[in-house]
Amino acid sequence: AQSVTQLDSQVPVFEEAPVELRCNYSSSVSVYLFWYVQYPNQGLQLLLKYLSGSTLVKGINGFEAEFNKSQTSFHLRKPSVHISDTAEYFCAVRRMDSSYKLIFGSGTRLLVRP
Amino acid sequence: DADVTQTPRNRITKTGKRIMLECSQTKGHDRMYWYRQDPGLGLRLIYYSFDVKDINKGEISDGYSVSRQAQAKFSLSLESAIPNQTALYFCATSDGEGTNTEAFFGQGTRLTVV
Repeated sequence: AQSVTQLDSQVPVFEEAPVELRCNYSSSVSVYLFWYVQYPNQGLQLLLKYLSGSTLVKGINGFEAEFNKSQTSFHLRKPSVHISDTAEYFCAVRRMDSSYKLIFGSGTRLLVRP
Repeated sequence: DADVTQTPRNRITKTGKRIMLECSQTKGHDRMYWYRQDPGLGLRLIYYSFDVKDINKGEISDGYSVSRQAQAKFSLSLESAIPNQTALYFCATSDGEGTNTEAFFGQGTRLTVV
């Protein structure tokens, strides 16, 4: 079985500061990795994904994430956050042999303060 | 117009009532999903459907049923609503082909059972 752990339920940060949202996963099989963002009163939107190749992946809105297989981590980073980045962020995994089932973490609420 | 549309967006219902949440999509995707989001728990899969004739239980299907009326429509029913079914419900779709299977989410239905 797969599981996803997001260690921080909430991350407060000042505008223009860097941020890292942590994600660790557990799986006995190879997985694909995803980060989704949920803005207030909206559905989930894909930020970025790791399928294969370079372990550093870039997504929308200046976010990037690095896949670390030895540490089973997929942390999300942004060098300088905006007020508009305030949202909930979900890390998710999907088995490589399954094209449908996403396993989500519990989410991290990013709160950007002026 | 949104690619994945959920109705209603908000609903308050009484314990014991039957309620249906509806989802329609214009993505042309075969695969549709219902998730439930609870604070601190992330999203959990209730039911999924790979095509009109294929319905499968997810990890938390008890107390729910679904109907895939057409490729574009997938409804979720609570036969007898109970307070612990109060949650945010999301419908999602994916095309299910290859490795590049991004899931697209609706804006959610906030259900309150009193």
